Amino acid sequence: TQLLEQSPQFLSIQEGENLTVYCNSSSVFSSLQWYRQEPGEGPVLLVTVVTGGEVKKLKRLTFQFGDARKDSSLHITAAQPGDTGLYLCAGALRTDKLIFGTGTRLQVFP
Amino acid sequence: GAVVSQHPSWVICKSGTSVKIECRSLDFQATTMFWYRQFPKQSLMLMATSNEGSKATYEQGVEKDKFLINHASLTLSTLTVTSAHPEDSSFYICSARFNTDTQYFGPGTRLTVL
Repeated sequence: TQLLEQSPQFLSIQEGENLTVYCNSSSVFSSLQWYRQEPGEGPVLLVTVVTGGEVKKLKRLTFQFGDARKDSSLHITAAQPGDTGLYLCAGALRTDKLIFGTGTRLQVFP
Repeated sequence: GAVVSQHPSWVICKSGTSVKIECRSLDFQATTMFWYRQFPKQSLMLMATSNEGSKATYEQGVEKDKFLINHASLTLSTLTVTSAHPEDSSFYICSARFNTDTQYFGPGTRLTVL
């Protein structure tokens, strides 16, 4: 069974703080995606990383794919209340399925 | 970006009835669609993979006779929960994929079985 472990599970911070979410696995993925999901809605794609060592930036969000394509991180700079949500990483296998991480629930207080 | 819709967004039904959920890709043709289930405060669990014109592939532990999937066209897949029971209550989410690893998700359907 492929597992994608995310840490931390929960994160509660003040507006303006920085944070990093980690996504780790023993499996190698052809690509990895990060999603954000708000209550009662479907996940919204933030980014797809494909190449080992790749770094992508989306405004205050920085995503990194591990060199071995087994892990990834999401760093948020100067978090804002609008960043609140469930963050999910998902690794793509050669079988075309996505394996979702365990999720990180982020709460940013004003 | 690619848009995927689901209908209905929520449904309440009596135990023993069947419920059909539709998933449509609105602005692209999806080679593959996926159905997920999500319990409160948990991540998504893949139920089945659906390819147009062929039988769905179910994940281990998912009853194919309980969760019927029909992928009638490149833009429509349906999930029917047959003889629903309270333990089937959940948030069901579909996604659609075309020619890359990226999946685009629908807004989800909340099913409550009384």
